[in-house]
Amino acid sequence: AQTVTQSQPEMSVQEAETVTLSCTYDTSESDYYLFWYKQPPSRQMILVIRQEAYKQQNATENRFSVNFQKAAKSFSLKISDSQLGDAAMYFCAYRSRSGTYKYIFGTGTRLKVLA
Amino acid sequence: EAQVTQNPRYLITVTGKKLTVTCSQNMNHEYMSWYRQDPGLGLRQIYYSMNVEVTDKGDVPEGYKVSRKEKRNFPLILESPSPNQTSLYFCASSLLGGGSGYEQYFGPGTRLTVT
Repeated sequence: AQTVTQSQPEMSVQEAETVTLSCTYDTSESDYYLFWYKQPPSRQMILVIRQEAYKQQNATENRFSVNFQKAAKSFSLKISDSQLGDAAMYFCAYRSRSGTYKYIFGTGTRLKVLA
Repeated sequence: EAQVTQNPRYLITVTGKKLTVTCSQNMNHEYMSWYRQDPGLGLRQIYYSMNVEVTDKGDVPEGYKVSRKEKRNFPLILESPSPNQTSLYFCASSLLGGGSGYEQYFGPGTRLTVT
């Protein structure tokens, strides 16, 4: 069975600085998707970034980028030029591209942004 | 506007009183899913559905029922709620394939308290 691990329950970053959130996963599959979701205090789940396992190039979305290391089964999220609005809970998630249609989420990392 | 709606947003009930949380999406998505979110545990999948009349268990299905009679609706039923089902519940939907990468769209959440 697949698992997703986020080992940092809480992180802090100074406004305008860069922070990296860690995520590791375990799977025997070769083709899958990985996601980072943001959950602000409003509780709404918002997709931040998506990575397809067959693509070697790391995904980027404006100030958000990932470091995807398939062999190490690592999928970290880098937030550059952190803003107060980035303060939220961040969840890493895994989804197989075939077979079972389950989504597996990590336990989340709470990010605090200090002014 | 493309969206996933859930009702009610907040619910306080008593042990054993049957309840239904509704979920509806207007994006013609094949895939729909229910999650519960608990502190320190992240999001855990309860049930999912790949299309009308096709449902399957997630990781925590005990005490829950679902049905998918129409493509747009996926209600979550608690036939005899217990206090350990007090949680924040999310409904989500996505396409099953294509270029979307299985991005899930989430509803606003339902805060359920069982006393």
